[in-house]
Amino acid sequence: AQTVTQSQPEMSVQEAETVTLSCTYDTSESDYYLFWYKQPPSRQMILVIRQEAYKQQNATENRFSVNFQKAAKSFSLKISDSQLGDAAMYFCACEPRHTGNQFYFGTGTSLTVIP
Amino acid sequence: DVKVTQSSRYLVKRTGEKVFLECVQDMDHENMFWYRQDPGLGLRLIYFSYDVKMKEKGDIPEGYSVSREKKERFSLILESASTNQTSMYLCATSGGAASGNTIYFGEGSWLTVV
Repeated sequence: AQTVTQSQPEMSVQEAETVTLSCTYDTSESDYYLFWYKQPPSRQMILVIRQEAYKQQNATENRFSVNFQKAAKSFSLKISDSQLGDAAMYFCACEPRHTGNQFYFGTGTSLTVIP
Repeated sequence: DVKVTQSSRYLVKRTGEKVFLECVQDMDHENMFWYRQDPGLGLRLIYFSYDVKMKEKGDIPEGYSVSREKKERFSLILESASTNQTSMYLCATSGGAASGNTIYFGEGSWLTVV
């Protein structure tokens, strides 16, 4: 079975500060992809960042970076210099390569950015 | 950019009614999905389809069916809506490796069953 766990239902961060959202996953596959998706109040889910499991280097996208710890099955998202527009629900997801392109999502973390 | 269009953003239906939720994508992706999103439960997969006329059950298919007659269109059907199906429904699409193994979402359909 594939599971994705986000243990922080809610987080808050002061504007311009840094925040880290946690995610752990469990999969028996050795080859998979990991994602962080953002769902702003307008509700459309958009991709923030993706990581291929066979790559040891942590992915970065501007102010967003991940800490990928494969042995610990941990995939946290760090948001630097937080902005008001970062306020959203964040979902962690895992796509094992050999499950017919299925994606497994965590329960989400609601991020509040305090001005 | 990938565009995933859900035709209805907000619907109110009565218990027992048949409900159709339509989803259209413009990127020729093979894979399409229907998820249900509820607070504290995240996204739960209802059905997915990896080709025309093909469908696979997800984690919570009970009370739902799907139709994929054309590659670009994937419909979710509630044969007899019930109040416990009040939720946000998200359609998504993926082209597999050709699209970077990324899933793209529509804006969602808010369904209230009264």
